[in-house]
Amino acid sequence: EVQLVETGGGLVQPGRSLKLSCVASGFTFSSYWMYWIRQAPGKGLEWVSSINTDGGSTYYPDSVKGRFTISRDNAENTVYLQMNSLRSEDTATYYCATLGDYWGQGVMVTVSS
Amino acid sequence: DIQLTQSPSTLPASLGERVTISCRASQSISNSLNWYQQKPDGTVKRLIYSTSTLESGVPSRFSGSGSGTDYSLSISSLESEDFAMYYCLQYATYPLTFGSGTKLEIK
Repeated sequence: EVQLVETGGGLVQPGRSLKLSCVASGFTFSSYWMYWIRQAPGKGLEWVSSINTDGGSTYYPDSVKGRFTISRDNAENTVYLQMNSLRSEDTATYYCATLGDYWGQGVMVTVSS
Repeated sequence: DIQLTQSPSTLPASLGERVTISCRASQSISNSLNWYQQKPDGTVKRLIYSTSTLESGVPSRFSGSGSGTDYSLSISSLESEDFAMYYCLQYATYPLTFGSGTKLEIK
């Protein structure tokens, strides 16, 4: 059974950091580009970052560039999202996904004082 | 950045009805468009990729079409499990962008 399980969410103060993890199972993780997608409460889907199969190439929208870092460990079947200098507008449910067949259930991040 | 204008934002429809959702790009995206369904519990599922290729296991009542800047998702005969949110996604160029979503609701 394919699974993507995100962890690491929670309540954090503005300006602080948080690191999300997503553990994959049931498919050949190292063969897939991986993505983080977020959804603010009551809003639509927003692409947050991408990483290629070996981790050598990463991509971000301007809204998180310089603050967020995506990485992966193919030996551990895990993709990470390091989020620094968090803002209230980063409050959202964060999904890891292949953008194809496989999506996680999401993890909530709330940025508030 | 490529903007995706998805319409309508809300679509009231009845069981058995045929519906169409539109996604218009601000520039040509050369068929690099997927369609996703999101259920109220947050579960996301890809329905269509590369404009018109049906994802394995997705019912054949779903179909996608389009070219250039204009794309659409059609559902030929609505069933109860189809009432959900739908999003288009362009992956022609970075930044990847989603449409704003269409809520398909029971009339």
